[in-house]
Amino acid sequence: RKEVEQDPGPFNVPEGATVAFNCTYSNSASQSFFWYRQDCRKEPKLLMSVYSSGNEDGRFTAQLNRASQYISLLIRDSKLSDSATYLCVVNPNTGNQFYFGTGTSLTVIP
Amino acid sequence: GAGVSQSPRYKVAKRGQDVALRCDPISGHVSLFWYQQALGQGPEFLTYFQNEAQLDKSGLPSDRFFAERPEGSVSTLKIQRTQQEDSAVYLCASSLAGRPYEQYFGPGTRLTVT
Repeated sequence: RKEVEQDPGPFNVPEGATVAFNCTYSNSASQSFFWYRQDCRKEPKLLMSVYSSGNEDGRFTAQLNRASQYISLLIRDSKLSDSATYLCVVNPNTGNQFYFGTGTSLTVIP
Repeated sequence: GAGVSQSPRYKVAKRGQDVALRCDPISGHVSLFWYQQALGQGPEFLTYFQNEAQLDKSGLPSDRFFAERPEGSVSTLKIQRTQQEDSAVYLCASSLAGRPYEQYFGPGTRLTVT
């Protein structure tokens, strides 16, 4: 079983829409969670960390559900520039290994 | 400031050849990671350095893969006797001490083994 699983999509949404991605993780002892963004043929970049209490950064909201072992990313008022692949990342805290999901592809349509 | 740089950006190797991929991390970043990203997949952890010490190499897929960072700065990932399944983008990332999750990635080296 993979450490991190994501729905690869693609998600095609109109500008202004709200879209949500989920990601599940297998190691219940995992402590740290993140979302990275990767544009086509570019390197991944940290989007935001995911805190136990949930956190918000502008139009982006990340949440953690430890009981069900999933994290989510909500994007409100989607912009064309949000089109990218969103990677869920989990650090099981057993070292410095960071497990990336396969990524969820988002295309925002004008 | 300068980000993480990698060279070469593209490498075509014939099966059985050895290749060496270079990573120049951001100055002052003590942590350095190597990942392998196959098409349509997320990055897969290969190995981790803290300064010159290789603290975790559990992700290296076989003994044909070897990484080093002798002076705690530039790192080299070497693949011996390349196989077709080694074709992927190899990403290097660096981070500050205490913030391993905030990884700054280089542009990657796209390796194609023919």
